Amino acid sequence: DADVTQTPRNRITKTGKRIMLECSQTKGHDRMYWYRQDPGLGLRLIYYSFDVKDINKGEISDGYSVSRQAQAKFSLSLESAIPNQTALYFCATSESGTGRSGANVLTFGAGSRLTVL
Amino acid sequence: GENVEQHPSTLSVQEGDSAVIKCTYSDSASNYFPWYKQELGKGPQLIIDIRSNVGEKKDQRIAVTLNKTAKHFSLHITETQPEDSAVYFCAASYRSSNTGKLIFGQGTTLQVKP
Repeated sequence: DADVTQTPRNRITKTGKRIMLECSQTKGHDRMYWYRQDPGLGLRLIYYSFDVKDINKGEISDGYSVSRQAQAKFSLSLESAIPNQTALYFCATSESGTGRSGANVLTFGAGSRLTVL
Repeated sequence: GENVEQHPSTLSVQEGDSAVIKCTYSDSASNYFPWYKQELGKGPQLIIDIRSNVGEKKDQRIAVTLNKTAKHFSLHITETQPEDSAVYFCAASYRSSNTGKLIFGQGTTLQVKP
């Protein structure tokens, strides 16, 4: 089984619909992230969480919300999807910080491709 | 804000040739520079990284060089093979933080022709 599992892998929806992308991990990592990938723009950070009680906005959080249900689960929601949210979404995890070099090493899931019509 | 520029956006080489991808970062406080490889249908995977106290790092056929003064870092792949075909992303840490927050480049699609 994958260390970081994303569901669904593909989703087509219509403008205005609510969408949830789910992520679960077996790495035992405290930190979890949601990134968005668009052609020519690379990966951009949407939200990140350092533990269950800590949620932080990334560079492009508008139109998105997240929930950290448990250490191993981090979901991304689009309350009212719009076409420019069509993208490939990645969940990632990393170790906690406090000087550990692995804190910046991200383990990514396989991605969730979302199409908003 | 912080920015990472990556070039070229596409690169095609013959099998056995070398490939070089270059990145420039804007935040002089960045101190960690990883490279990720994304194969078709998969998530990015770390292939090599370098920290600001080192100028070069090698791992078999891949190497990364860092010029802190110029704020440049590069990925070098020697003796390329078809399985090296993928999208490559450079990244720089956000400030000098150990938070896992990375600023990614735009990506380079590498095609290795047999």
